[in-house]
Amino acid sequence: DAGVTQSPTHLIKTRGQHVTLRCSPISGHKSVSWYQQVLGQGPQFIFQYYEKEERGRGNFPDRFSARQFPNYSSELNVNALLLGDSALYLCASSFGLAGGFLSSYNEQFFGPGTRLTVL
Amino acid sequence: AQSVTQPDIHITVSEGASLELRCNYSYGATPYLFWYVQSPGQGLQLLLKYFSGDTLVQGIKGFEAEFKRSQSSFNLRKPSVHWSDAAEYFCAVADQTGANNLFFGTGTRLTVIP
Repeated sequence: DAGVTQSPTHLIKTRGQHVTLRCSPISGHKSVSWYQQVLGQGPQFIFQYYEKEERGRGNFPDRFSARQFPNYSSELNVNALLLGDSALYLCASSFGLAGGFLSSYNEQFFGPGTRLTVL
Repeated sequence: AQSVTQPDIHITVSEGASLELRCNYSYGATPYLFWYVQSPGQGLQLLLKYFSGDTLVQGIKGFEAEFKRSQSSFNLRKPSVHWSDAAEYFCAVADQTGANNLFFGTGTRLTVIP
């Protein structure tokens, strides 16, 4: 079975441009989360979508937006790019929402990421 | 608020030696804890997780971790390291409010020398 796929693999943009990153979850998974991993840091949560609705948002500016499509794939959009947006952007999918109870926890499976460089 | 601290940025061990990677967490309730591994050009792979019960958990690739509530720690161990274990290791704690997100530490880079 295919894992989580992300496109493109690498991307170079200049300051002020916008970018769209794409993610296809594992077949049957309905939740997609996005993380930003700056060089030398751990991943930081940006968004979570479940059944096409935003279910969680991290501490990121409004320049960051996302959406989930009927086939559960997702796009992450970043407007007015800054140098500090240079990072590896990871997508993770899970069957459902992770809850606070053992029986309902759903493991997140991560894609290989999109490396964004802003010049 | 949840947070994770990995005090060791970089560790070097000889192949065949034992390994322990440290992780300390901050969380008000019983935490859900994870260890992930990231190889160059690859996504994060889950090694093991702790939710409750036995405080010593076994994972893939011969890794284990021990949850110690009194020390707020969840250290990762392996008795004999292989060259293929060279990678970046991340400890994470889950948000249990339903947002499904993970809070990661800054990672420990493991180098294995022959």
